[in-house]
Amino acid sequence: SQQGEEDPQALSIQEGENATMNCSYKTSINNLQWYRQNSGRGLVHLILIRSNEREKHSGRLRVTLDTSKKSSSLLITASRAADTASYFCATDANSNYQLIWGAGTKLIIKP
Amino acid sequence: KAGVTQTPRYLIKTRGQQVTLSCSPISGHRSVSWYQQTPGQGLQFLFEYFSETQRNKGNFPGRFSGRQFSNSRSEMNVSTLELGDSALYLCASSHATGLIGGANVLTFGAGSRLTVL
Repeated sequence: SQQGEEDPQALSIQEGENATMNCSYKTSINNLQWYRQNSGRGLVHLILIRSNEREKHSGRLRVTLDTSKKSSSLLITASRAADTASYFCATDANSNYQLIWGAGTKLIIKP
Repeated sequence: KAGVTQTPRYLIKTRGQQVTLSCSPISGHRSVSWYQQTPGQGLQFLFEYFSETQRNKGNFPGRFSGRQFSNSRSEMNVSTLELGDSALYLCASSHATGLIGGANVLTFGAGSRLTVL
């Protein structure tokens, strides 16, 4: 079952601009992760934020988590063509190690 | 260290046939999860194996099965293939023991793309 819902479903921006994607979920979580998938390839883990954290940075990535609104956002600053990919959020809501995935946001960076 | 290896990368089958996909996890990872990804349905969880036991199962028919060996390598099998089984099948491995801060971070393979004709 899909718990996370990303929006927008697709996003097209110019190289150098910032890209923001959002993820909403339904139940309480232990942590939330973001993954990137280049076309037709496997997913790559980007960043994890725990339920007791509100913001986390990794290079050009900034993730925020608002547990009261059950939502997270992923900000990619100074976008590059190589950032073109689909981005998925995944929540870890219980102790059985099963992640619940969103439908993904397709990001296109135009040169 | 070597990543998650999936074989074969591409395969074409016809309806009614069966297929076996293989996944070699990262050394030391005892959990292997399988996902089906299609354009229409997104990323769908199939099952997860940990120490040779199926620990979690998604909502797929019994035609989809899997197993894990003592060296943590895993296989999944789809019998009586249908056109709708055409998809990218992704395998992911992790520690999933709760020892690393309780977080289940997955490392994915490149996938096996199955086309059913």
